[in-house]
Amino acid sequence: GQSLEQPSEVTAVEGAIVQINCTYQTSGFYGLSWYQQHDGGAPTFLSYNALDGLEETGRFSSFLSRSDSYGYLLLQELQMKDSASYFCAVSHNAGNMLTFGGGTRLMVKP
Amino acid sequence: ETGVTQSPTHLIKTRGQQVTLRCSSQSGHNTVSWYQQALGQGPQFIFQYYREEENGRGNFPPRFSGLQFPNYSSELNVNALELDDSALYLCASSLDLLRGEQFFGPGTRLTVL
Repeated sequence: GQSLEQPSEVTAVEGAIVQINCTYQTSGFYGLSWYQQHDGGAPTFLSYNALDGLEETGRFSSFLSRSDSYGYLLLQELQMKDSASYFCAVSHNAGNMLTFGGGTRLMVKP
Repeated sequence: ETGVTQSPTHLIKTRGQQVTLRCSSQSGHNTVSWYQQALGQGPQFIFQYYREEENGRGNFPPRFSGLQFPNYSSELNVNALELDDSALYLCASSLDLLRGEQFFGPGTRLTVL
């Protein structure tokens, strides 16, 4: 089967940098995605890594190491609006079917 | 370009009943996936449809079934509702099967009493 591990909660202050780690076990790994979900909202796509290395999109960066079955999401210059739940998700086999982790609740404090 | 929409927003049913949830994908997106999200947990994959055919299924019983229509709309049907079926049901459409990017609708909150 598939399983993903990520911390349940992270707290940081405005302007800081935070890293949310994700380790996974899956067969037929295709890629690792990250989604943000505010309370009461829908998940929104942040980034995707299929190959090893760092992908940068504005204040957000995502890293993948396929050999270590590990990835992380890096959020820089934290803002209050970044307070949300963040999910890593693996795509396995073909077809873009996602298996999500349990989510990391990020609280940004002033 | 309109986003993914779902109806209804909220729904209350009793145990044993049947329910149909609806989703309208983004235009041109030929893949739709359905997820169940319990409170405080990550979404769980139910199944995916690609060009009106079931393309994959998660660990859900056969009483969860779906349909996808040529007009980019889709349905999730759940028979013989159980209390544990209470959750947020999300549909997500995608254009590129290989990139991991899916566009989620706002969800339908189902409560089973």
